[in-house]
Amino acid sequence: NAGVTQTPKFQVLKTGQSMTLQCAQDMNHNSMYWYRQDPGMGLRLIYYSASEGTTDKGEVPNGYNVSRLNKREFSLRLESAAPSQTSVYFCASSETPERGYTFGSGTRLTVV
Amino acid sequence: AQSVTQLDSHVSVSEGTPVLLRCNYSSSYSPSLFWYVQHPNKGLQLLLKYTSAATLVKGINGFEAEFKKSETSFHLTKPSAHMSDAAEYFCVVSLADGLTFGKGTHLIIQP
Repeated sequence: NAGVTQTPKFQVLKTGQSMTLQCAQDMNHNSMYWYRQDPGMGLRLIYYSASEGTTDKGEVPNGYNVSRLNKREFSLRLESAAPSQTSVYFCASSETPERGYTFGSGTRLTVV
Repeated sequence: AQSVTQLDSHVSVSEGTPVLLRCNYSSSYSPSLFWYVQHPNKGLQLLLKYTSAATLVKGINGFEAEFKKSETSFHLTKPSAHMSDAAEYFCVVSLADGLTFGKGTHLIIQP
């Protein structure tokens, strides 16, 4: 099925460990996004990529890095995980903002 | 700058009664507006979208929303609630750099 695929679905990290969240879309969308969801906060934009080869900071970029590997893939890296990064992470893609976004099923990350 | 305000953090209705979830927005540009639904431990699903065509927008599962520019509102309604509508609902404004989400309204359906 066409859509956005995120891996892993669940992850537990110790403080200071690093990891990369993977995201891939097969809809030939230009734009891709990483959001985090915390209780009572809605979703907040971490980074986005308007097209292959470009990335920009969103509302809450500190502690994260991203790579737009090609048109399909957009990864999110935590270099030194902190408990404040415990959250649910969603990747999304879009052809144009007006057409809406397709979301992945999320990665639930716990940092202990 | 743009922002979205969902006026109720929780809404509780009885099954079979109407649903109203309220959303106000502010935007310097003519916005694209969306409602997304998130069922427990699931991803986000698009319910409906407004993109400057008809002001009354029909979505999936019997939901609809009306864009009122004079009131800067985009309220979500459904005539008759079903138990399966229990979920978190997000009002969203879209511009070129991504989406701005409201903080969500938790819809509770009483049997």
